[in-house]
Amino acid sequence: AQSVTQPDIHITVSEGASLELRCNYSYGATPYLFWYVQSPGQGLQLLLKYFSGDTLVQGIKGFEAEFKRSQSSFNLRKPSVHWSDAAEYFCAVLPSYNQGGKLIFGQGTELSVKP
Amino acid sequence: GAGVSQTPSNKVTEKGKYVELRCDPISGHTALYWYRQSLGQGPEFLIYFQGTGAADDSGLPNDRFFAVRPEGSVSTLKIQRTERGDSAVYLCASSPNGGANTGELFFGEGSRLTVL
Repeated sequence: AQSVTQPDIHITVSEGASLELRCNYSYGATPYLFWYVQSPGQGLQLLLKYFSGDTLVQGIKGFEAEFKRSQSSFNLRKPSVHWSDAAEYFCAVLPSYNQGGKLIFGQGTELSVKP
Repeated sequence: GAGVSQTPSNKVTEKGKYVELRCDPISGHTALYWYRQSLGQGPEFLIYFQGTGAADDSGLPNDRFFAVRPEGSVSTLKIQRTERGDSAVYLCASSPNGGANTGELFFGEGSRLTVL
């Protein structure tokens, strides 16, 4: 069965430091990959997505992610974290194009930012 | 409205009671989704509507759960004979089409259900 693994439940970084959140998926083909962010009191918001093509994708709020087929990974990165980035981050997979929005989410990584 | 609206934001009920959760999607969005998010977990798919019909209800855990979208806009998730294990945040999302073209779902803030 398809699955998404986010190995880090909680990460703390200092403001201004770089960030990498890990995501691994289990699937035979190349699925469609997403990162969503959930801030307190707000709904999940799409940060970026990968369908095909360039394996480095840019998203909103200065985030980027790199798809590595050989590692079945889609890690999220940001060069310099801001205090407002503190939130929960979810990696998600859409196993096939014709499954609409039936996303499979990882369990999430909670990001804390130290001043 | 500007975004996906879910009511109530919080619902506390007793075991065995019936509960309805409402979702008002973004105007013009034809696709609507329900997900459930348990504490410390990512959202889990429940059901997906395209227009008025349920295109995929494979995520509904059992027959106590039912959802409708009679006019292709507002949707109601109905839970009968609630159990403590139903306690979770129920998320609604919508998208302009089936979500397949962009994969971008627009989520509401959720309805937190607590079953005592």
